[in-house]
Amino acid sequence: SAVISQKPSRDICQRGTSLTIQCQVDSQVTMMFWYRQQPGQSLTLIATANQGSEATYESGFVIDKFPISRPNLTFSTLTVSNMSPEDSSIYLCSVLGQGNYGYTFGSGTRLTVV
Amino acid sequence: RKEVEQDPGPFNVPEGATVAFNCTYSNSASQSFFWYRQDCRKEPKLLMSVYSSGNEDGRFTAQLNRASQYISLLIRDSKLSDSATYLCVVILPNSNSGYALNFGKGTSLLVTP
Repeated sequence: SAVISQKPSRDICQRGTSLTIQCQVDSQVTMMFWYRQQPGQSLTLIATANQGSEATYESGFVIDKFPISRPNLTFSTLTVSNMSPEDSSIYLCSVLGQGNYGYTFGSGTRLTVV
Repeated sequence: RKEVEQDPGPFNVPEGATVAFNCTYSNSASQSFFWYRQDCRKEPKLLMSVYSSGNEDGRFTAQLNRASQYISLLIRDSKLSDSATYLCVVILPNSNSGYALNFGKGTSLLVTP
């Protein structure tokens, strides 16, 4: 399965600032996915990052708040903009694996906004 | 009604016990099913896919019942290292990406000595 390097692993940020999270995959993948996991909650898909086109966002998530870049088939970034304490969460990137169609996740970014 | 529902537990079982989790899904168009394991402060990791015919991987057995729209995970001879949260994942058609993963909130398992 693909190996994903995600960073930073954690950060504590001031409200009103922005944080960019990076994911690097060791193989080329068509789609990368960004998820949020709030405390005690299930994972929620934020958006799908497609190389060469705009990311597609799920209901409740907008590009101004979560801009995404996908410059090539192995890399993507998610920015959490103008942060508030409600954005405190774990953010994970994911790609579709080969064979059994399982999805592989990055190790996650634990964000705390103060 | 949530797309994917699981009993959050926690399930506290002694080493060596057999434990089973169920997960129900609401959308009959669901296409694929997985069980993931998530350790505390870690990312989810694929445990096993769930096939219509049922499948087994060592001490773990997964079953799918499409008629009743539930999947199950059975763990035999529980080990201390099985302590984790088990996430039920269902894949649905999605207008944005073509398909989407829907996660349950997870079932917590604690295996005790």
